[in-house]
Amino acid sequence: DVKVTQSSRYLVKRTGEKVFLECVQDMDHENMFWYRQDPGLGLRLIYFSYDVKMKEKGDIPEGYSVSREKKERFSLILESASTNQTSMYLCASKDGTRGSLGANVLTFGAGSRLTVL
Amino acid sequence: DAKTTQPPSMDCAEGRAANLPCNHSTISGNEYVYWYRQIHSQGPQYIIHGLKNNETNEMASLIITEDRKSSTLILPHATLRDTAVYYCIVRGYTGGFKTIFGAGTRLFVKA
Repeated sequence: DVKVTQSSRYLVKRTGEKVFLECVQDMDHENMFWYRQDPGLGLRLIYFSYDVKMKEKGDIPEGYSVSREKKERFSLILESASTNQTSMYLCASKDGTRGSLGANVLTFGAGSRLTVL
Repeated sequence: DAKTTQPPSMDCAEGRAANLPCNHSTISGNEYVYWYRQIHSQGPQYIIHGLKNNETNEMASLIITEDRKSSTLILPHATLRDTAVYYCIVRGYTGGFKTIFGAGTRLFVKA
């Protein structure tokens, strides 16, 4: 019954490495999101996508990029990882149909905990 | 989207009802109340949402006051697995991409 799958639960990377976090959803949702979650700061939106090849910056996009080549897949990229990007990363998706019952219901993945040394 | 206020933490005995309050005094007419929860080291999970009528599903009940300025999420028979952070969110039904999660209420269910 898994609907949003994040490729890695735990990753350890070194400063300066390029990091890819993959997210796949099987609900045919138009909208996909990447959040990061840190103690005391809550969930903060990094990037979101409302359609294939479309992306918009969230509140904290610096140091990140995203890719959405297929509807079901949304990737978060850290071009050069830094220690301040150590965090829990959460992917989510939601139906983009206006007025639909689930229009504002987010479905999250289990999260990817990234440690940058 | 309207701002919400929740107590930072609550305790509940296993098997008893857990009543989690949320204040949203600035809610506007077209905004819904959504509840999510996040169990430790997992992603948030949607629980329930409502506009003005009380709502119930297999997970919980949502009671919204008549003036819509506050609501209560009720877990009728709390279990240890209900220990989690519970987020109350108010937002419009159709618009916008951003869902803002506050600090939530950390519920501890004790045996």
